[in-house]
Amino acid sequence: EDQVTQSPEALRLQEGESSSLNCSYTVSGLRGLFWYRQDPGKGPEFLFTLYSAGEEKEKERLKATLTKKESFLHITAPKPEDSATYLCAVQAATPLVFGKGTRLSVIA
Amino acid sequence: DVKVTQSSRYLVKRTGEKVFLECVQDMDHENMFWYRQDPGLGLRLIYFSYDVKMKEKGDIPEGYSVSREKKERFSLILESASTNQTSMYLCASSPLLGQGPIYEQYFGPGTRLTVT
Repeated sequence: EDQVTQSPEALRLQEGESSSLNCSYTVSGLRGLFWYRQDPGKGPEFLFTLYSAGEEKEKERLKATLTKKESFLHITAPKPEDSATYLCAVQAATPLVFGKGTRLSVIA
Repeated sequence: DVKVTQSSRYLVKRTGEKVFLECVQDMDHENMFWYRQDPGLGLRLIYFSYDVKMKEKGDIPEGYSVSREKKERFSLILESASTNQTSMYLCASSPLLGQGPIYEQYFGPGTRLTVT
């Protein structure tokens, strides 16, 4: 069974304090890994797709990386507006399997 | 920009009522999905559809049904609403999943359903 585990469940950072969120997965035949951002009371917003180990994608203060067993979402010098829940999802032969997310709070 | 819209942001229904949640996408996507999201449980797939009039069960289909009469519209139906169906319901769409590139899903804003 495909599984996605995100850690930590919650993370509190000071503004400017860089950190990483982890997404570990076990899936047979990974075809893609997705990162989403979700603000309270809203639908998830697509951030990145990663297809193969070694791939990296960047967007503003966010950088996503992928290995054969996990993905990291690195947040550099975060700002309060980066506060949100970040979701990871994997695609194999079946529809997306989502992790439970990491709730990020960035304090000014 | 891809746009997925859902008929209501907030909905309050009584136990036993039949409830319809509507979702419309404007990007001519083949795939459409219904999820529910609950604290501590994450996003769980209820039903999905690869084409008009086609449907597939997801992880938690019990108590739900779906309808896809037109490509752009995917409806979720709660035949007899119960309190344990109180949740945030999210619709999503994506282009065709084949042997080619994998496409991300685009989500609607969600419907917060409360069943009393």
